[in-house]
Amino acid sequence: DGGITQSPKYLFRKEGQNVTLSCEQNLNHDAMYWYRQDPGQGLRLIYYSQIVNDFQKGDIAEGYSVSREKKESFPLTVTSAQKNPTAFYLCASSQNQLGKGSYTFGSGTRLTVV
Amino acid sequence: AQSVTQLGSHVSVSEGALVLLRCNYSSSVPPYLFWYVQYPNQGLQLLLKYTSAATLVKGINGFEAEFKKSETSFHLTKPSAHMSDAAEYFCAVSAFGNEKLTFGTGTRLTIIP
Repeated sequence: DGGITQSPKYLFRKEGQNVTLSCEQNLNHDAMYWYRQDPGQGLRLIYYSQIVNDFQKGDIAEGYSVSREKKESFPLTVTSAQKNPTAFYLCASSQNQLGKGSYTFGSGTRLTVV
Repeated sequence: AQSVTQLGSHVSVSEGALVLLRCNYSSSVPPYLFWYVQYPNQGLQLLLKYTSAATLVKGINGFEAEFKKSETSFHLTKPSAHMSDAAEYFCAVSAFGNEKLTFGTGTRLTIIP
């Protein structure tokens, strides 16, 4: 079955460490997105990519980095510059234009700073 | 720029009662509008979407929403609530032809037995 796989499901990070969250899709979708979810704040866009080797900052990109070397993969690195990284992170994908906003979401990674 | 406002961060209804979750949007261009549902510790699942065709949109699990341009609203309804409807619901908007979605802050729906 096609879908999006996020790993790991739970991740613990020590202060000052960089961590990378994995997102892989086998839907042949062009566009991929990273959102951060905090209680009462909904989903906020971190980065998005509409084509391989290209990506744009979202609303809260500071302290994060991404790459899009393959169509299937869009990993997110949470750097030590992100001051409050504890959150639920969601990856999504869509078929540009044709999908008209119908995102497919992964099941999320819960990151906790210890 | 586009935005959505969801009125009521928490809504409780009795099992069998009408479910009404409110969403108002702001958009400078014709909008696409969406409702997504999220169960605990899971990703979001599309319930329904409006993309400038019929103003009354039917989705999965018996939900529907009506696009009202004059009221800039896209409220989600279900005639009879089930216990399995307990979840968090997100309204979202995108500009015509632009894939990037902007989400509301969500409404947590609780069903009272």
